This record gives sequence, C-alpha cells and structure tokens, in this order.
Amino acid sequence: ETGVTQTPRHLVMGMTNKKSLKCEQHLGHNAMYWYKQSAKKPLELMFVYNFKEQTENNSVPSRFSPECPNSSHLFLHLHTLQPEDSALYLCASSHTAGLAGHETQYFGPGTRLLVL
Amino acid sequence: GQNIDQPTEMTATEGAIVQINCTYQTSGFNGLFWYQQHAGEAPTFLSYNVLDGLEEKGRFSSFLSRSKGYSYLLLKELQMKDSASYLCAVRDSNYQLIWGAGTKLIIKP
Repeated sequence: ETGVTQTPRHLVMGMTNKKSLKCEQHLGHNAMYWYKQSAKKPLELMFVYNFKEQTENNSVPSRFSPECPNSSHLFLHLHTLQPEDSALYLCASSHTAGLAGHETQYFGPGTRLLVL
Repeated sequence: GQNIDQPTEMTATEGAIVQINCTYQTSGFNGLFWYQQHAGEAPTFLSYNVLDGLEEKGRFSSFLSRSKGYSYLLLKELQMKDSASYLCAVRDSNYQLIWGAGTKLIIKP
C-alpha cells in the first residue's frame, strides 16, 4: 500500500516555466503538508492544510502557490522559479494538524526538482 | 532560536551496534520523533518519545532525556539495508515540528 503518492518523481524546468506538483494521500487524513528538503539541511515546512484550510505559510515566496481541493489532494503550483529552488519537495499527511504531540506525519517519496 | 543537532555522517560495520545522538534546544517540548529516509525515498516513522527513558522496538531503540535535551537512536545487529539517513524532529510548545539536518549512516560489510 502506498499511503502518500507524489507525481512527478522528477522534474526539470526552466525559470520561465509553469509546472505543478501533485500529492495524494490514501490514509483518510485531514492534514497535508509541503516540505522542501535540501542537501544537508533540515526539512523546511512550507505550507500546512488542515481540513482543506491553509493554516501555515512559512514566509514562502509567491512563486510557490499551494492548492488543496479536498483532504486527499494537495498541489504545489510553480512559476518563475530560481535555481536555488532546486530541491526535493516532500508531501506529508497526518490525522490532523491540531494539538496532539504524538501526531505522526506520513511522507510521500518526493519530487526531485531541478531548475535551470 | 530553536535548534536540533545531530552528526552529519556516521559509519558502522554490518552486525555491529551504532548510536545516533540528537540534542535539541526548543521552546517547549511535546515529543521527539525519529524517521528513517533511504536515498530517494520517503522518510518513514521509526519512533516517538515523550517521556524519559528507553523505548525498544525490535533492533531499534530510542532514548530520551528531557532534562538534558538529548535523545539517541540505537541500532543493533546492523544490516546493509540500515544504510540511510536518520532524521530527528522535536515538537515544540506550538506543536510545530523542528527538524534536524539528518545523520547519514553508512554500513560497511
């Protein structure tokens, strides 16, 4: 069973392109997350959606635009990216994004993005 | 500021034992997580500690000392498939997850 899936797995884009990353979770969760993972750096939380409502935007540049049409799907729309945006973009889900210390996040395999 | 420290890389021998340390300074504490991430794959949940002490789960154990801001992940009877990065994360007083940069574990035959 693949609880959290992401497409595409790899993406190469130019700085003027527009592309979208897709995430789908099959776990019945209500919270979904976008993270950026760069080599030898901690995971950077980008966006959080709880019951389809955005509850967190960690000062992410507007060239990244999230969309959450329902609790099972999450998109990250990309436009006019910079080479420093090249990274692994991970999607995660959890039961909720509420006040539960033990709330475990389940991750997808990520999209490896290269911006030329 | 909030900070999680863990070694960048460790090397161990197949069949041996390795301990991966994690120290943290966070605003409040609501639990500590360990995740395993194989190259090119999703991070997968290993353990959660919120009380002091040792939690054992098969070949893997996780220890927590809240007074020292310290945790370790202990891997026994190492196998080649244990070669991966191990991520430490702490949930702070706002229930945000603060992540370490991960420890890359290399297992040699």
